[in-house]
Amino acid sequence: RKEVEQDPGPFNVPEGATVAFNCTYSNSASQSFFWYRQDCRKEPKLLMSVYSSGNEDGRFTAQLNRASQYISLLIRDSKLSDSATYLCVVNPNTGGFKTIFGAGTRLFVKA
Amino acid sequence: DARVTQTPRDKVTEMGQEVTMRCQPILGHNTVFWYRQTMMQGLELLAYFRNRAPLDDSGMPKDRFSAEMPDATLATLKIQPSEPRDSAVYFCASGYGSGNTIYFGEGSWLTVV
Repeated sequence: RKEVEQDPGPFNVPEGATVAFNCTYSNSASQSFFWYRQDCRKEPKLLMSVYSSGNEDGRFTAQLNRASQYISLLIRDSKLSDSATYLCVVNPNTGGFKTIFGAGTRLFVKA
Repeated sequence: DARVTQTPRDKVTEMGQEVTMRCQPILGHNTVFWYRQTMMQGLELLAYFRNRAPLDDSGMPKDRFSAEMPDATLATLKIQPSEPRDSAVYFCASGYGSGNTIYFGEGSWLTVV
């Protein structure tokens, strides 16, 4: 089983739609969680951290469910510019500094 | 605007040749990562360092890959000899401490023919 798993998609949604991605992780001791965004032929960039109580940044909401070992990302009112690959990131924090990326979920927002 | 710098940006080389990729982490960052990305495998963690010491290189093929940090401003990833299956984008990333955001360079796009 991979340490971090995501549905690869692609998700094809119209502008204005709400879309949600989930990501599961295998190490129950994991402490830090993030969502990164990667545009085509670019490097991954931080979208937002994920906090235990859930957090929101504009149209983006991230949630953490420790009991079920998954994190989620909700995008409301999708824009064409949201088209990208969204990467789930977990830091197992097992004494090292390992940072593990999921394979990513591809999102296409169409007009 | 601080950023991670990687060289070369693009490299085409023949099978069997040595390839060296270099990375300058963001000043003050003490953790450096090397990732490889392909369409099939996504982002694979090859190796990472903390305070220049290698912590884990279990993701790296040991027979041909090596990673070092000769000083705090330079990390290197070497492939010798290179093979066509090594064709990928190699990203360097840096961060500070544990559990914090990491920042990526623009990647080194390697093609081995």
